[in-house]
Amino acid sequence: DIQMTQSPSSLSASVGDKVTMTCRASQNIRNYLSWYQQKAGKAPRLLISAAGTLQSGVPARFSGSGSETEFTLTISSLQLEDFATYYCQARVGAPWTFGQGTKVEIK
Amino acid sequence: EVQLVESGGGLAKPGGSLRLDCAASGFTFSHAWMTWVRQAPGKALQWVGRIKSNSNGGTTDYSGPVKGRFIISRDDSKNTLYLQMNSLTTEDTGVYFCAKDDGDILGGIDSWGQGTLVTVSS
Repeated sequence: DIQMTQSPSSLSASVGDKVTMTCRASQNIRNYLSWYQQKAGKAPRLLISAAGTLQSGVPARFSGSGSETEFTLTISSLQLEDFATYYCQARVGAPWTFGQGTKVEIK
Repeated sequence: EVQLVESGGGLAKPGGSLRLDCAASGFTFSHAWMTWVRQAPGKALQWVGRIKSNSNGGTTDYSGPVKGRFIISRDDSKNTLYLQMNSLTTEDTGVYFCAKDDGDILGGIDSWGQGTLVTVSS
């Protein structure tokens, strides 16, 4: 099975900060990667597919990049509503594994 | 509007069984790849398994921890997804989300239910 490792596990940032988090795959998954946002007590929300394709309705301050084994999710200017946990998911073979998440907290 | 409504959660004893249902509406259920994702209290999302549409073979895949114990099935005539959980352990405790996958490896899980809580305890 493919293992997905996210770093950091948590970070503290202020409104307006640029935030970057990483997801590493244990093997080459090309660009078969999606990113999700989950707020406390809520279901996750799909933000980005194919490593870098922003979903409809997702603010342009979110961006994704990367390929093969290393991927990045960037929030260019953190807003209050962005404080949440972010998960990556590999979409190769089976299972379609999630990373362990990066929690973005208010500094 | 896509709606996914889970039911069937509750308390089960270790070694016991439970079945979760997911009623779907707002999209063509028979064309959809459907997924179960779970989340233990305070922990990360865990992909449980997936069933493809019947036009894609209707095949299922499971994560390692549930393979051989859980069964995903679907009834397209009822627009309903099922998760039969057998030989439950305390490690299976968590919120179980029914979700619709767009079925594209370049896509993602584009719709989620609100989740149903399963607690395995003696």
